[in-house]
Amino acid sequence: AQSVTQPDIHITVSEGASLELRCNYSYGATPYLFWYVQSPGQGLQLLLKYFSGDTLVQGIKGFEAEFKRSQSSFNLRKPSVHWSDAAEYFCAVGAYSSASKIIFGSGTRLSIRP
Amino acid sequence: DTAVSQTPKYLVTQMGNDKSIKCEQNLGHDTMYWYKQDSKKFLKIMFSYNNKELIINETVPNRFSPKSPDKAHLNLHINSLELGDSAVYFCASSQEGQLGEQYFGPGTRLTVT
Repeated sequence: AQSVTQPDIHITVSEGASLELRCNYSYGATPYLFWYVQSPGQGLQLLLKYFSGDTLVQGIKGFEAEFKRSQSSFNLRKPSVHWSDAAEYFCAVGAYSSASKIIFGSGTRLSIRP
Repeated sequence: DTAVSQTPKYLVTQMGNDKSIKCEQNLGHDTMYWYKQDSKKFLKIMFSYNNKELIINETVPNRFSPKSPDKAHLNLHINSLELGDSAVYFCASSQEGQLGEQYFGPGTRLTVT
């Protein structure tokens, strides 16, 4: 069965600092991987997705993520965070099958220190 | 223009009542979803419809009944509300089926007292 683990519940970084949010997945075949962001009081918005090809994917708002099959990871990175990046970040995994669906991780809350 | 809209945004009701949440998408997508987000932010899919047909039905109590009158609408009706139903319910839609980018509504915060 598919599963996603986000080991960090809450991370605080200083504005302008770099960011890495961790995500590990469990799936028997090649997964489809996503990162979503949820700003306070709002729905989720897709940041980026990986289906195949280049393992480094670029997303919106300056985010990128790298798929590492050997580590079963899909970590999200940003070189310099802005105060507006404070939000909840969700990693998700999907698989192509007749009963496929996206499984979300438990989320990482990002706070930005001025 | 709002891509995925939900009404109401907030819903406070008493145990035992029946309530509905409405969802509409104007993106022309053919797949719609209902998710439940609990107080710990855990997000779990409840239902998915593709062209008005139910394709995902997770282990959700049968007090929850989705209805899709057309592919732009997916409503959620909940009978005999319980305290544990308190959560934020999100509607979403996508064009590529379950693997496509999902567009989420703003959520409906349901509080059962």
